[in-house]
Amino acid sequence: AQTVTQSQPEMSVQEAETVTLSCTYDTSENNYYLFWYKQPPSRQMILVIRQEAYKQQNATENRFSVNFQKAAKSFSLKISDSQLGDTAMYFCAFMTRAGGTSYGKLTFGQGTILTVHP
Amino acid sequence: DTGVSQNPRHKITKRGQNVTFRCDPISEHNRLYWYRQTLGQGPEFLTYFQNEAQLEKSRLLSDRFSAERPKGSFSTLEIQRTEQGDSAMYLCASSPRDSGQETQYFGPGTRLLVL
Repeated sequence: AQTVTQSQPEMSVQEAETVTLSCTYDTSENNYYLFWYKQPPSRQMILVIRQEAYKQQNATENRFSVNFQKAAKSFSLKISDSQLGDTAMYFCAFMTRAGGTSYGKLTFGQGTILTVHP
Repeated sequence: DTGVSQNPRHKITKRGQNVTFRCDPISEHNRLYWYRQTLGQGPEFLTYFQNEAQLEKSRLLSDRFSAERPKGSFSTLEIQRTEQGDSAMYLCASSPRDSGQETQYFGPGTRLLVL
């Protein structure tokens, strides 16, 4: 079974600064996907960024980038130039690739509440 | 593309009553997923469908829970004889048929409170 751990229950950052959210996972699979989802207060969850484990290059999406360390099973999210709208709960999630034992279902971490202060 | 919709958005019921939630996925998405999220926690997988076929069910889905997707479009999740421990947010998500099917698009959820 896969597990995802987010060890930071809460983080805060000043507007325009950079913050990094941590995530570690455990799996015996070799091919999988990792995701960061954002859940703003009272709003629905949206995808922030996605990483395919077979790709060595770290994914980036505008101000969001990841540091994917496959051997260490670590997948951190860096948010640059933080904005007030980034305030949300952030979830790290795992899914095996097609053919894997858990393909189709996301396994989520416990979440990190990020607050961006003006 | 109107996104994933869920109804009702909120449901308050008394213990022992049955409740049913509906999820309408993004048009032409063939995969549909149900998750449960308790306060302050990450969502937990319940079940998922590819078209009308239910491909996997979590052990969290007790005999009191049943999900259907009869025509491969919308889905319903029914909880029979509700218990206070069923109080949670029930999330639905869908993903497309081919490339990008790993990305799940979530609805706003149905928040259930069992008194």
